[in-house]
Parts: sequence; structure tokens; C-alpha cells
Amino acid sequence: GAVVSQHPSRVICKSGTSVKIECRSLDFQATTMFWYRQFPKQSLMLMATSNEGSKATYEQGVEKDKFLINHASLTLSTLTVTSAHPEDSSFYICSASPGLEGGHPSGDGYTFGSGTRLTVV
Amino acid sequence: AQKITQTQPGMFVQEKEAVTLDCTYDTSDPSYGLFWYKQPSSGEMIFLIYQGSYDQQNATEGRYSLNFQKARKSANLVISASQLGDSAMYFCAMREGTSSGSARQLTFGSGTQLTVLP
Repeated sequence: GAVVSQHPSRVICKSGTSVKIECRSLDFQATTMFWYRQFPKQSLMLMATSNEGSKATYEQGVEKDKFLINHASLTLSTLTVTSAHPEDSSFYICSASPGLEGGHPSGDGYTFGSGTRLTVV
Repeated sequence: AQKITQTQPGMFVQEKEAVTLDCTYDTSDPSYGLFWYKQPSSGEMIFLIYQGSYDQQNATEGRYSLNFQKARKSANLVISASQLGDSAMYFCAMREGTSSGSARQLTFGSGTQLTVLP
């Protein structure tokens, strides 16, 4: 089946540093990548949507200068948390879709990465 | 208004019994898709089942079935013969519009924590 590899799975960083999270589609072309954030025992909240080669579209309330998203190729999207603070500690998870033209590799059209637990100390 | 509502924060079920997890949705789009995902404590999102708004039959996937009542805007998940490994958080999600062209985002409900008792 379709696979999205997300790294790192866990990261601890110091306050003020930047952290990059990668999502790579291994066997299909991810036209669209969705980035979600999830606090403990809460739902997934969409942060931004990116299409390959275009600027990401951020949801209201999400700082685009803090959460930098790059989707330069059809198989790789990255989320960089810049100048991280403890309140940025959360679970970040990506979801890739090929769009209709690329087919639906998972039967539902979306393949999730395994998530990244970010802890900022 | 909430687009996806899951009213059961937590549910308990005895092993081998069936359980229904509730989900109601709100949309004015005639074309939409409804999804259920399982999220164990490891955090990964496991796709369980999908129902399209125009699908005539209720979706089934193994022990999972979706009780789709369009007029009531509900899409409840039924898990038959519960297993201990079914203990996890379950999310209902909706995609509005067709999937032509760029993919549309999923909107998630608040989730239901299911615990299967031995």
C-alpha cells in the first residue's frame, strides 16, 4: 500500500531553536500535503495545505513565518518550526494525497505519516 | 457550527461484543465523503472505512461497518466482535466536495476513546 515516511518520530529541542520535520511519499506522487497538529487527547487540527510547487495555504491563526512549509517536489514536503517555544510542543502529522489524477493509493485518497512528537524544553 | 460531532468522549465494550461509535456531520455540499480512522497510542492514523455521499450501500470492511443515515446526517461506525487491540481513539472525518483536481482537506471530529475490556 501507499506509504508516507515521516521523520523524526520524536524530537526534543531547546527553546529558540528550529526543527525540521520531513514527510516523504515513497511510492506515489503527493500532489497535496496536509499538515496537522494534535494536542494530547484532542482532535487533529489542520495547520496548512501545500501543493507541489506552490506556496502553502495556512489556516487562520497559524503563523506562516513560524511554521515554514516547503513542498518542492512531488515526493517531499517539510515543516520547519522556527524559534520553537514550549507551547509549540505537540504531535505533528502529515497527510499526503495524489489528487484525482494520481489515483487513490490507499482507497480513501489520503495517506498519513506516522507523526512527530515535538517537545520544546 | 461543528462540521463533525462525536458525542462520546469515551466508550467501553466487552471483548467479543459489538460497539457503535456515533458521528454526525453538517454540510450543505451534496458531494462529500465520510471517513473513520483509528489512532492507537503510538499516534499513527489508521484508515478504517470510507462512505461516499452518493453511495447506495453502507460501507463494510471486515469487522467494521458504517451505518450511513443520510437524512439524519449520521455516519456511525460499528465494530463487531471487539478485540483488545481495538482499544484506541477513533476519529470520524469528512471531506466536502469531490476529489477532482487538488485534494480537499479532511475535517475531524473530537474523537472517541474506545476501551475494550477482557
